[in-house]
Amino acid sequence: NAGVTQTPKFQVLKTGQSMTLQCAQDMNHEYMSWYRQDPGMGLRLIHYSVGAGITDQGEVPNGYNVSRSTTEDFPLRLLSAAPSQTSVYFCASSYRVAGAVDTQYFGPGTRLTVL
Amino acid sequence: QQQVKQSPQSLIVQKGGIPIINCAYENTAFDYFPWYQQFPGKGPALLIAIRPDVSEKKEGRFTISFNKSAKQFSLHIMDSQPGDSATYFCAASIQGTYKYIFGTGTRLKVLA
Repeated sequence: NAGVTQTPKFQVLKTGQSMTLQCAQDMNHEYMSWYRQDPGMGLRLIHYSVGAGITDQGEVPNGYNVSRSTTEDFPLRLLSAAPSQTSVYFCASSYRVAGAVDTQYFGPGTRLTVL
Repeated sequence: QQQVKQSPQSLIVQKGGIPIINCAYENTAFDYFPWYQQFPGKGPALLIAIRPDVSEKKEGRFTISFNKSAKQFSLHIMDSQPGDSATYFCAASIQGTYKYIFGTGTRLKVLA
């Protein structure tokens, strides 16, 4: 299994440009999430999905869109990039087993710089 | 009420020492408390997790202590090694919601 994969690893955008960060998992996990990580602020949840066709907002959803058309893929779209969106973005997937802890697996991250 | 407060921001210990990282929460609906370990350039990885029906959980050299009445929980690393040098995050969620609130992280350095 490749686990959770993210592309690209690095990206530089100009203010106002749009782009899509890709996330895929091959573990057949129902749950997927996007986080951003900023110095001194930990990880903050942007959007999450509990299954194909179902998404919901996290703590910091403004400026981002998501969709989940398949179990495997959960892309994050930046509609009009702003310097405040400069961050490291992590995708994660989760599964549940009755009686066991919820386990969340993270991808390697995408480092985004908006000029 | 959704915050998870983590301290200290950074920590330096000698090899063999027992670093302790503390977290506090306010939302009494939280019922799942994981700790994550993150190495530079990598994504976080689940280290250990606890539910509030137990006061302590051990996995290898890592122990979570949980104080439900004080709404606090902490991570202890026994016999710490230079390879434990990483950033540690606590988190909290309402199990089944998959909405995690993370602490701000503790950068641990273990000196050889």
